[in-house]
Amino acid sequence: NAGVTQTPKFQVLKTGQSMTLQCAQDMNHNSMYWYRQDPGMGLRLIYYSASEGTTDKGEVPNGYNVSRLNKREFSLRLESAAPSQTSVYFCASRPNYQETQYFGPGTRLLVL
Amino acid sequence: SQQGEEDPQALSIQEGENATMNCSYKTSINNLQWYRQNSGRGLVHLILIRSNEREKHSGRLRVTLDTSKKSSSLLITASRAADTASYFCATDPFKLIFGTGTRLQVFP
Repeated sequence: NAGVTQTPKFQVLKTGQSMTLQCAQDMNHNSMYWYRQDPGMGLRLIYYSASEGTTDKGEVPNGYNVSRLNKREFSLRLESAAPSQTSVYFCASRPNYQETQYFGPGTRLLVL
Repeated sequence: SQQGEEDPQALSIQEGENATMNCSYKTSINNLQWYRQNSGRGLVHLILIRSNEREKHSGRLRVTLDTSKKSSSLLITASRAADTASYFCATDPFKLIFGTGTRLQVFP
């Protein structure tokens, strides 16, 4: 049982490049989330998915798109990366019967 | 905007001492959660307190909630070097809204 996994662990992009951050969970959770964490800050919600086939915007969705490919996987795409998107990105999942979220180890993204 | 604000922003103590950190939030809540984040890692859930509870314990952790003041506190008793981490409060179970965190440093 790996929990929540994220790939890649670290990525460097040039401004304007695109990339997809992958997240998968093997706990059969219904809800999945993408957050970003900037230095010295708490986490801010980018997008979330309450169930397979649904996605909703969080606090800071601009510049991002998401896909809930199936119950296990929730990907985050940056179509045209900007330096302001330099951050650490965390994926999390939550079962319907519980309020606790389970976090992945994070992806560190540097946009030059 | 973030729902929670932790206080203090940073706290340094010696092993064996108690650490207290506070969280204030803005709107009505169903519950409040505390999470720990070790440097460079994802967050780990510590404890949840519901809006109709005033105090909850889990091992060396004690959480209080005062809904009239919209505040919560987390007490870690007999701290250890391994407790060195950032601690965040979060509200709203469906879309967690995090505070900015308290960075706790416990010196051996």
